[in-house]
Amino acid sequence: KNEVEQSPQNLTAQEGEFITINCSYSVGISALHWLQQHPGGGIVSLFMLSSGKKKHGRLIATINIQEKHSSLHITASHPRDSAVYICAVLASGSRLTFGEGTQLTVNP
Amino acid sequence: DSGVTQTPKHLITATGQRVTLRCSPRSGDLSVYWYQQSLDQGLQFLIQYYNGEERAKGNILERFSAQQFPDLHSELNLSSLELGDSALYFCASSVGLHNEQFFGPGTRLTVL
Repeated sequence: KNEVEQSPQNLTAQEGEFITINCSYSVGISALHWLQQHPGGGIVSLFMLSSGKKKHGRLIATINIQEKHSSLHITASHPRDSAVYICAVLASGSRLTFGEGTQLTVNP
Repeated sequence: DSGVTQTPKHLITATGQRVTLRCSPRSGDLSVYWYQQSLDQGLQFLIQYYNGEERAKGNILERFSAQQFPDLHSELNLSSLELGDSALYFCASSVGLHNEQFFGPGTRLTVL
């Protein structure tokens, strides 16, 4: 079993829909990253959080340390949100351990 | 643009060869990380440097080595290349040891 599990693996939505991607982890962590990877391959850091909730534009990330769970929400989704979203945890030291990613496709 | 630069963007080489990938961190960042993303393994941590010193090692093969120079740029050296080394190699940087990491655009290595 992977230390970081994401669900769903694939998600298709219509423009305007509210989207949730989930991440569960099995180790103690100091922080969790949400990353976005576009088809060209580049990785963008969306959030780093260790408690509570963060919001940036239409993106919201929450974390529950006790339940070892985080969610990434996208409100009013748009085709340009289509990408792979990756959850990564800072567990031992400062190395990141990655989930397998969620492929999101938003259709117009 | 994260402020992290990597060169080259693409590299095509043959088995048995040696290549060097270069990374310049964001201004002010002391930590540099190297990651490998292959189709079958996903993203994996290779190695971390902080202010010139190796701090953590992940699943890095003995054929691979890295260093961080006094100006804080880093190089990842891959030798005796095999077909399975074909992957995207990302560099990331952060201010300290446990801060948010910012990723470079990656180097796509193809070994033929």
